[in-house]
Amino acid sequence: EVQLLESGGGLVQPGGSLRLSCAASGFSFSIYAMSWVRQAPGKGLEWVSTISGSGGGTYYADSVKGRFTISRDNSENTLSLQMNSLRAEDTAVYYCARTQWLSLYWYFDLWGRGTLVTVSS
Amino acid sequence: DIVMTQSPDSLAVSLGERATINCKSSQSVLYSSSNKNHLAWYQQRPGQPPKLLISWASTRESGVPDRFSGSGSGTDFTLTISSLQAEDVAVYYCQQYYSNIPTFGGGTKVEIK
Repeated sequence: EVQLLESGGGLVQPGGSLRLSCAASGFSFSIYAMSWVRQAPGKGLEWVSTISGSGGGTYYADSVKGRFTISRDNSENTLSLQMNSLRAEDTAVYYCARTQWLSLYWYFDLWGRGTLVTVSS
Repeated sequence: DIVMTQSPDSLAVSLGERATINCKSSQSVLYSSSNKNHLAWYQQRPGQPPKLLISWASTRESGVPDRFSGSGSGTDFTLTISSLQAEDVAVYYCQQYYSNIPTFGGGTKVEIK
């Protein structure tokens, strides 16, 4: 079965760190770009970061640049997001998404169920 | 960044009736060299992750019922549900992938009247 399964969410204090993981199965992970997209409670969708299939290209939203780092391990079929210097406004469900990569443009054709990150003291 | 504006914010439609959702981009998302519109539509049912319905403004994904159709070009796009079913209750989002900062519309909530 083709699926994505996120883990690692939880409650963290402002300024703290958290590492999210996404386990992929059922498809050739290494040939796909992958992304993180988040959704604040009751709000819409916001793109966070994308990584190319090889891992050689990484892209970030301005809101997280310099604080978040996306990475992947193609031998383990896993995607990660290291989140540092967390702020209250980072509170959201974080979705892992398989990404259709078209040069430097992308959309998202498979989504995980998400993991909730809450930044609060 | 390209701003995506959806309308209406919500709509209530009777079962079997047509639902129409609009999406407007702040600049054209039509790529001239390919003559393709870089626009996708997603469905998010309550408590579920988003699901890709349509890419390239009008290409349905495999398994998506043909009551869903996408149309439009340039800056103005429409998602139409031709005959609303109970399982179509959801929030629908458009997304542009014309720039390397993908952006989403604010969503349109579809309910049963």
